Amino acid sequence: EAAVTQSPRNKVAVTGGKVTLSCNQTNNHNNMYWYRQDTGHGLRLIHYSYGAGSTEKGDIPDGYKASRPSQENFSLILELATPSQTSVYFCASGGHYEQYFGPGTRLTVL
Amino acid sequence: GDSVTQTEGPVTLSEGTSLTVNCSYETKQYPTLFWYVQYPGEGPQLLFKVPKANEKGSSRGFEATYNKEATSFHLQKASVQESDSAVYYCALSEGMGYKLTFGTGTSLLVDP
Repeated sequence: EAAVTQSPRNKVAVTGGKVTLSCNQTNNHNNMYWYRQDTGHGLRLIHYSYGAGSTEKGDIPDGYKASRPSQENFSLILELATPSQTSVYFCASGGHYEQYFGPGTRLTVL
Repeated sequence: GDSVTQTEGPVTLSEGTSLTVNCSYETKQYPTLFWYVQYPGEGPQLLFKVPKANEKGSSRGFEATYNKEATSFHLQKASVQESDSAVYYCALSEGMGYKLTFGTGTSLLVDP
């Protein structure tokens, strides 16, 4: 069974703090993605990766960094968290055409 | 860039009634079109995809036809069930299919 897991599932952070969201996949997919989900905006792509060591900017990368140290792991980093980054974040892995999503991380920045 | 526009929700229906969620898209290339579904507390999952113009995709009683001329890909189901309550996303992908552009999602609530 394909599996994408995320940690933590819930996170409360303070403005200006550093936040790291982690994602692990056992699908052996080359491509991994980070999205945020907000009412009225749907799913928006933040960063993605074609494989270990690569990261690419998505549609809304400002304020976020990404790291892909291995095939299985892909992290999203908020160096200086702001309240506007309060959202639900989804990681996904995929090959051609289909993406498999994790369960999401709910991040609240106070 | 690419864009996808779909029915604004929430949509509330009674069990046994029919559903249509409108989706239209803009792209300069030849896309593959998708419907994803997100159940409460879960991540989105693929409902079905249609790579070719004028073809139909279907799954779990849902179907949609890729209308290239109208640039539309409306989701339909003849008789909804309470278990269909979820958020439905229309999406497209160009080229090799590595990136998806999603619509804003349509929340469906089916009353028993």
